[in-house]
Amino acid sequence: DTAVSQTPKYLVTQMGNDKSIKCEQNLGHDTMYWYKQDSKKFLKIMFSYNNKELIINETVPNRFSPKSPDKAHLNLHINSLELGDSAVYFCASSQGPGVGNTIYFGEGSWLTVV
Amino acid sequence: AQSVSQHNHHVILSEAASLELGCNYSYGGTVNLFWYVQYPGQHLQLLLKYFSGDPLVKGIKGFEAEFIKSKFSFNLRKPSVQWSDTAEYFCAESSGGYNKLIFGAGTRLAVHP
Repeated sequence: DTAVSQTPKYLVTQMGNDKSIKCEQNLGHDTMYWYKQDSKKFLKIMFSYNNKELIINETVPNRFSPKSPDKAHLNLHINSLELGDSAVYFCASSQGPGVGNTIYFGEGSWLTVV
Repeated sequence: AQSVSQHNHHVILSEAASLELGCNYSYGGTVNLFWYVQYPGQHLQLLLKYFSGDPLVKGIKGFEAEFIKSKFSFNLRKPSVQWSDTAEYFCAESSGGYNKLIFGAGTRLAVHP
């Protein structure tokens, strides 16, 4: 069983469209994250939720809106997609929000904006 | 601002060679350090982590890393690499406040048979 699962795995879409990536974890963790990996493989955190509450919100355009309906799910909605949004988006989770909790990553969602 | 530096961007080795990948972090306080591996087309997997205690940390698949506080370093080592170790390796740290991993730029390792 996949601990952190994301859908879709691959997504190709046109500029200006709105798309969502879904994430679910079955580890019973309280904290979930979205990370972005750009074309140079550089990974950077975008958001983190703990028990459905936003706790980390990095400098990310307002076009990106995370939503956590419950602590096992953290979805990422992107409005008005731009070419620069092309990247791999990784969902992740950890037992808790504190430093020292190991973070477990999903398999990534490859987004290509054309 | 906290940062993590990985000096080797690309490393090419033959099977059975020894591996050492460099990682330096900038935060001067209590720090938690990690090495993650990303095999081609797959998700990141935790290789090992250091929180406190013995500075020599052993991880999965024969990897180890040594935390040297005076050098702000956490280098990854493996005495004998295999073709299956071909992957991207990321050093990361998290410190203070919420659990937020700061990643290095990654090192791409290619092991030739």
